[in-house]
Amino acid sequence: AQSVTQLDSHVSVSEGTPVLLRCNYSSSYSPSLFWYVQHPNKGLQLLLKYTSAATLVKGINGFEAEFKKSETSFHLTKPSAHMSDAAEYFCVVSYYNQGGKLIFGQGTELSVKP
Amino acid sequence: NAGVMQNPRHLVRRRGQEARLRCSPMKGHSHVYWYRQLPEEGLKFMVYLQKENIIDESGMPKERFSAEFPKEGPSILRIQQVVRGDSAAYFCASSPSADRSYEQYFGPGTRLTVT
Repeated sequence: AQSVTQLDSHVSVSEGTPVLLRCNYSSSYSPSLFWYVQHPNKGLQLLLKYTSAATLVKGINGFEAEFKKSETSFHLTKPSAHMSDAAEYFCVVSYYNQGGKLIFGQGTELSVKP
Repeated sequence: NAGVMQNPRHLVRRRGQEARLRCSPMKGHSHVYWYRQLPEEGLKFMVYLQKENIIDESGMPKERFSAEFPKEGPSILRIQQVVRGDSAAYFCASSPSADRSYEQYFGPGTRLTVT
């Protein structure tokens, strides 16, 4: 089955240190990949997306992700965490001929300590 | 351009009642998707609609759930005879195209509580 796996359910970092949220997807022809962020009791906001252009994708708020086909990974990184980054992050995949349907990972909760 | 609107934001229903969740897509968007987020779980696709058509309902429970997106007005997700297990956050998203390169814009969600 087509799926996406977020390898950590919870990540805790200190403010000013790097962030790494890991994501693997099931292999398929040319997936589109996204990272969304959800703050408590809010809707989802798109951080960045990969749609078969450059493999290193830059998003909002200093986040970026690298598409690695050989590893079927799409890890999200940020050089320096900010307190406002504390939220739930979802890795999301969309496959060809699926009508745009999004398949979500289980989510990673990011905590940022002062 | 207003974003995706959902109402109500919070809905409390007793077991056996009906729940109606509304979603107004962004202006110019004719593709609507509904997702459900159960407690401690990620979001799961429920249904994909275009104006007056259900395109993909593979994620919808077979009973009690229905969705529509009429020619005029918002998209409606209807849950009949609600049970406690229906308690969840329901998110609507809209897009100008079904092409997967297009972003889906999410509404703030409706949080349904069944007592």
